[in-house]
Amino acid sequence: DAGVIQSPRHEVTEMGQEVTLRCKPISGHDYLFWYRQTMMRGLELLIYFNNNVPIDDSGMPEDRFSAKMPNASFSTLKIQPSEPRDSAVYFCASSSDWSQPQHFGDGTRLSIL
Amino acid sequence: GESVGLHLPTLSVQEGDNSIINCAYSNSASDYFIWYKQESGKGPQFIIDIRSNMDKRQGQRVTVLLNKTVKHLSLQIAATQPGDSAVYFCAEKRGFQKLVFGTGTRLLVSP
Repeated sequence: DAGVIQSPRHEVTEMGQEVTLRCKPISGHDYLFWYRQTMMRGLELLIYFNNNVPIDDSGMPEDRFSAKMPNASFSTLKIQPSEPRDSAVYFCASSSDWSQPQHFGDGTRLSIL
Repeated sequence: GESVGLHLPTLSVQEGDNSIINCAYSNSASDYFIWYKQESGKGPQFIIDIRSNMDKRQGQRVTVLLNKTVKHLSLQIAATQPGDSAVYFCAEKRGFQKLVFGTGTRLLVSP
């Protein structure tokens, strides 16, 4: 079975540019999560969706960050404008239910120069 | 507790040994716990989970032990193999609150 699929795997761009990260959750999973991982702060939850509806975006650092889930098989995380401090690995995860394990993609390594 | 990791604790073992990775959690009301394995360049991979109404759960070569009295969780890996080398994270959750990840422990397995 296909797991959570993220693209791109790596992104290098200059500060000020718009960055769009993409995620395809596991089919049938109703929950989708976006995390950010850095050496300093570890894994942080940014936002999560249930049935395509954003439920908790309290972890989104600033208004420069936005996330959408237009349908059950696709979500985007957008940063506009990007800054060097946004450099991190961004993970998407999905789960079939709140009480079930979250399954992670292999992440997007983002570098903002 | 909240994930902080700048310097990961490291456990070094020989191939074939049993490994025990420990985790202290912060919320006595947490009712769900989970272990993830993260290899370099990959996302966290689910290993095993346990709910607070259990003390022990076994999987393939792995056992998770939960001691609610001292808020301690451990992951035991039997007959550790080089492929087990990775960073291991515990995470906890209470009800409908978000999953909170621990700092992580790096496991190094020598052949």
